[in-house]
Amino acid sequence: KAGVTQTPRYLIKTRGQQVTLSCSPISGHRSVSWYQQTPGQGLQFLFEYFSETQRNKGNFPGRFSGRQFSNSRSEMNVSTLELGDSALYLCASSLDGSSGSTDTQYFGPGTRLTVL
Amino acid sequence: AQTVTQSQPEMSVQEAETVTLSCTYDTSESDYYLFWYKQPPSRQMILVIRQEAYKQQNATENRFSVNFQKAAKSFSLKISDSQLGDAAMYFCAYRSPRNNNDMRFGAGTRLTVKP
Repeated sequence: KAGVTQTPRYLIKTRGQQVTLSCSPISGHRSVSWYQQTPGQGLQFLFEYFSETQRNKGNFPGRFSGRQFSNSRSEMNVSTLELGDSALYLCASSLDGSSGSTDTQYFGPGTRLTVL
Repeated sequence: AQTVTQSQPEMSVQEAETVTLSCTYDTSESDYYLFWYKQPPSRQMILVIRQEAYKQQNATENRFSVNFQKAAKSFSLKISDSQLGDAAMYFCAYRSPRNNNDMRFGAGTRLTVKP
């Protein structure tokens, strides 16, 4: 089975621009979570989508948004980019992720975003 | 809120030796899941091992094993017969079944393996 894929792998943007990152989960997985990884803050949870609905959200401003399509692929969008948004953005998928699920999250290779 | 603490920013081990990485967590829940993930220089997060809190038996995956002390809220990772390919950042993570897929990660421990 193919693993979680993320595109693009690298991205350079300037302040004020917006960006869209894409994540394709493992076939059959319905839950997709997004994380931001920075040297200063470590790994932080952004949000989670399940069956095209945002089910959980971390403590990030509204500039960070996402969506999930019927095929479980997910996109995250960051508007009005700031220098502090420079980070590795990781996507993880799990089979179900329903309450009480014992699913394990499997991560993609990440998208490295640099904001100049 | 649950927090995960990894008190060792860096660790070093000689090839073929054994090393233990520490992790403690804070929670008021009785049912949860714990994970160790490895992140090599490629940045791909790879699951190393997982432990369900309701299981008393410590999880084992080949050369990797955990020492899960529920009362002490401790979850250490032991790597036996260390190999050069084990060099990576290791993250301890906590997941609550009531907070779907919101995993809390520790700050990580950078493991160096010396030949």
